[in-house]
Amino acid sequence: GAVVSQHPSWVICKSGTSVKIECRSLDFQATTMFWYRQFPKQSLMLMATSNEGSKATYEQGVEKDKFLINHASLTLSTLTVTSAHPEDSSFYICSAPTSYNEQFFGPGTRLTVL
Amino acid sequence: AQSVSQHNHHVILSEAASLELGCNYSYGGTVNLFWYVQYPGQHLQLLLKYFSGDPLVKGIKGFEAEFIKSKFSFNLRKPSVQWSDTAEYFCAVLLTGGGNKLTFGTGTQLKVEL
Repeated sequence: GAVVSQHPSWVICKSGTSVKIECRSLDFQATTMFWYRQFPKQSLMLMATSNEGSKATYEQGVEKDKFLINHASLTLSTLTVTSAHPEDSSFYICSAPTSYNEQFFGPGTRLTVL
Repeated sequence: AQSVSQHNHHVILSEAASLELGCNYSYGGTVNLFWYVQYPGQHLQLLLKYFSGDPLVKGIKGFEAEFIKSKFSFNLRKPSVQWSDTAEYFCAVLLTGGGNKLTFGTGTQLKVEL
């Protein structure tokens, strides 16, 4: 199947700093990618849809100025958590759909904000 | 707004026992349905999917699911579980024409004991 990678797999940062997470589709092109947040023992919550060549679409309640998304190419989307705070600590997962409507998920990025 | 319900949050079974995990969704239109599995420390993987046709779909590792449209359900089954099936299982729904956005259920943590 298709492969989606994420980098870094985990990151620890100080409160107030910004963190960038990359999501890449390795063997297919994705005009759309999705960013999810997963809290411990909970389900995945869709944060935003990343669109290549245009602005991301954010879900209700997600601060677009805090979670900056850039879909730089057909294989790369980045999520930047700006001015991170401890409450932003979470597991962030991206996914990319193939042309068959099947989504493939990245391995996730564990963010810990001290 | 559509929602996905998984009624079993934690399930504990002995090896060789049969498994059925419930999934119900609330949406009257055409949907695509998925079951994903997340093994400890790993990323989400697709178990099986239903788009159309035979409502009984077979997936990997001996799993199957039945789509019952009248009940808005898509329950996951396996006749005989193994210790290696210990994982978290997520049901997900995709609205056709909904921009490829998946809505996930809350997940079911399955523990299989030897």
